[in-house]
Amino acid sequence: GAVVSQHPSRVICKSGTSVKIECRSLDFQATTMFWYRQFPKKSLMLMATSNEGSKATYEQGVEKDKFLINHASLTLSTLTVTSAHPEDSSFYICSAPGQLEQYFGPGTRLTVT
Amino acid sequence: DAKTTQPPSMDCAEGRAANLPCNHSTISGNEYVYWYRQIHSQGPQYIIHGLKNNETNEMASLIITEDRKSSTLILPHATLRDTAVYYCIAVNNNAGNMLTFGGGTRLMVKP
Repeated sequence: GAVVSQHPSRVICKSGTSVKIECRSLDFQATTMFWYRQFPKKSLMLMATSNEGSKATYEQGVEKDKFLINHASLTLSTLTVTSAHPEDSSFYICSAPGQLEQYFGPGTRLTVT
Repeated sequence: DAKTTQPPSMDCAEGRAANLPCNHSTISGNEYVYWYRQIHSQGPQYIIHGLKNNETNEMASLIITEDRKSSTLILPHATLRDTAVYYCIAVNNNAGNMLTFGGGTRLMVKP
């Protein structure tokens, strides 16, 4: 089946710094990708919809200036967590739609110290 | 998308069938029932989906009631590797739509 990759798989950064997470569709093109966040023992929460060639659409309560999304090509979307704080520590997951199902990346565990 | 309700947790003995229920009483006619699972610290994985008819693939079977208000995911011979959180999601017939995850069912397969 189709594969979605994420890089890095885990990252530790200091408060106030920015972190970029990449999401790639490896063998198919994705004009849309989705970014989710998951806190421990909680379900996935949609953060934003990334659109190739246009601005991302953010869910209510998600700050667009803090979580910068760039859909640079048909196979790459990036999420940048700017001025990270410890409360941004979470598991970030991207997905891309196939014909019948969503393909999810393996996730990126962000820890902000 | 219609809201779904699942039991928060279930146990199953290894080698036995795991039957995971899901209620979706407000599902609309163009919404499919999708099942995904998430093994600890991994991204979700697609299992199966259906609209009205029962479906079977190499991973599982999906039984949808005639009124479509509920469904059951069946793992016929559960293994320890099936321990995961299973999510039942009602999805508009456009597969490009984002998914709204509920709490899911945490299935623990025990030896």
